Amino acid sequence: DTAVSQTPKYLVTQMGNDKSIKCEQNLGHDTMYWYKQDSKKFLKIMFSYNNKELIINETVPNRFSPKSPDKAHLNLHINSLELGDSAVYFCASSPQQDRPTDTQYFGPGTRLTVL
Amino acid sequence: AQSVAQPEDQVNVAEGNPLTVKCTYSVSGNPYLFWYVQYPNRGLQFLLKYITGDNLVKGSYGFEAEFNKSQTSFHLKKPSALVSDSALYFCAVRSSGTYKYIFGTGTRLKVLA
Repeated sequence: DTAVSQTPKYLVTQMGNDKSIKCEQNLGHDTMYWYKQDSKKFLKIMFSYNNKELIINETVPNRFSPKSPDKAHLNLHINSLELGDSAVYFCASSPQQDRPTDTQYFGPGTRLTVL
Repeated sequence: AQSVAQPEDQVNVAEGNPLTVKCTYSVSGNPYLFWYVQYPNRGLQFLLKYITGDNLVKGSYGFEAEFNKSQTSFHLKKPSALVSDSALYFCAVRSSGTYKYIFGTGTRLKVLA
């Protein structure tokens, strides 16, 4: 059973479109994250939710809007896609927000290509 | 502010030789340190972590890491490298009172047959 799953795995779209990426974890974790990995493989945190509440919101354009319908799901919606949004987006989860020793578990990634 | 540095973009090692991937960190408070590995077209996988206690931490696939408080380092090591260890390795740090994991820039390990 996949612990952290993301859909779709690949997403190719035109500039200006709106798209969503979905993430689900079946680990019973309270905290979920979105990361962006650019072409140089740098990994940057974008958002974190704990029990459906936003706790980390990095300097991310407001075209990016995360939504957490329940603590097992964290979706990422992107409006008006730009070329610079092309990257691999990773979802991750960890048991608790305020336990710094917790390990993060990552999904397989979604490769977004904006043409 | 927390930070993690991985000074080498790439490390090349011959199969069967020992390998070291370097990581240094800066945090206020106690550091909690992690190593993750990323194989091509895959998500990050947890290798090992240091929380407290023994400075030598053993993890998956024969990897280990040594926590050195005075040098603020957490280098990843393996006594005998395999070609299948070729991947991208990330060091990460977290400290008490923060919600974020701070990742290094990654080191590409290439094990040559």
